[in-house]
Amino acid sequence: AQSVAQPEDQVNVAEGNPLTVKCTYSVSGNPYLFWYVQYPNRGLQFLLKYITGDNLVKGSYGFEAEFNKSQTSFHLKKPSALVSDSALYFCAVSLTTSGTYKYIFGTGTRLKVLA
Amino acid sequence: KAGVTQTPRYLIKTRGQQVTLSCSPISGHRSVSWYQQTPGQGLQFLFEYFSETQRNKGNFPGRFSGRQFSNSRSEMNVSTLELGDSALYLCASSIDANYGYTFGSGTRLTVV
Repeated sequence: AQSVAQPEDQVNVAEGNPLTVKCTYSVSGNPYLFWYVQYPNRGLQFLLKYITGDNLVKGSYGFEAEFNKSQTSFHLKKPSALVSDSALYFCAVSLTTSGTYKYIFGTGTRLKVLA
Repeated sequence: KAGVTQTPRYLIKTRGQQVTLSCSPISGHRSVSWYQQTPGQGLQFLFEYFSETQRNKGNFPGRFSGRQFSNSRSEMNVSTLELGDSALYLCASSIDANYGYTFGSGTRLTVV
């Protein structure tokens, strides 16, 4: 079955430290990969996406993500965390197979940045 | 540029009633998807419409239905509401899903 895994329900990091939110996927073909962020009582906001090309993708708010095909991972990173980065983060994949398309979200990881 | 607009923001309904939620996508976006978000189940895909046709459907009972109009606006309907339908319902629009989605702020439905 095709799936997206975010193995950590919550990640705690001190302000100013680097952060990583993990995502791995198990899908056939060459998926497009996305990260979204959700603040309380709001919808999801698009952060960044990987389609092809450079394995390091830069996105909004200083976030970046590294695509690793051999490990089927797409981890979200930021060199220096801010308290305002505290939110719920979702990884997603989009793929098209046999003319049908699927968009699969991970279960989400809550990021807490401590002052 | 206006974002994805969902109305109403909050709803309280009684078990057994039905409800209709509305979503206006970003102008030019023909793909509209609906998701149900609950603390226990996370983000679950309901259905996706593209140019007035349902292109994809998640694993929800037939009580959940939707449609899309010629102006790309979409509605979803839930009939015979159950307590477990209480959730945040999110609508997302896109030119094409491979470009990523823009989400609305959601409609929080409470069934009592």
